[in-house]
Amino acid sequence: AQSVTQPDARVTVSEGASLQLRCKYSSSVTPYLFWYVQYPRQGLQLLLKYYSGDPVVQGVNGFEAEFSKSNSSFHLRKASVHWSDSAVYFCAVSPNNNRIFFGDGTQLVVKP
Amino acid sequence: ETAVFQTPNYHVTQVGNEVSFNCKQTLGHDTMYWYKQDSKKLLKIMFSYNNKQLIVNETVPRRFSPQSSDKAHLNLRIKSVEPEDSAVYLCASSPGAGNTLYFGEGSRLIVV
Repeated sequence: AQSVTQPDARVTVSEGASLQLRCKYSSSVTPYLFWYVQYPRQGLQLLLKYYSGDPVVQGVNGFEAEFSKSNSSFHLRKASVHWSDSAVYFCAVSPNNNRIFFGDGTQLVVKP
Repeated sequence: ETAVFQTPNYHVTQVGNEVSFNCKQTLGHDTMYWYKQDSKKLLKIMFSYNNKQLIVNETVPRRFSPQSSDKAHLNLRIKSVEPEDSAVYLCASSPGAGNTLYFGEGSRLIVV
């Protein structure tokens, strides 16, 4: 069975600080992996995705994520956050079929 | 750039009434979805529709029914709303299995 765990419901960081949002997955095969962001009163938007190859993938707005097969993880990182990064971040996995499984989301609050 | 369009954005109604939400995508995708997002931001898939084949989530109450006239449209009808139906309903489309989801901005339903 596939599942996605985002262990942190809420993360608060100061503007300019570095960020890591954690994501662990459970899957019988190496899935497709995604990070989405949801700004207030909007739908979800793709930040980045991983299919294969280099385990570090670059996304929009300075975000990157690193896939670790040994740890079954796909953590999201950013070197220096901006107040506009405040949003809800969702990790998602898709085994090689038509299903996508979302984590519960992490609310990011960036303090000025 | 928004390519998945949902109407209405917001709807308030009374218990027992019927509600319909409309979704149209202009991306030429074969697959469309309805997700329910509750007040805690948790996402639950309700339906997916792939090349005229409807895949139903067994946990969805029978008062919910999807309606599709063609692969660009997937509407959602709720026959007799209940208070627990209050949520944001997100429509999405994708080119196929394992691919990026493109979301609309959501339709917020409030049942009083």
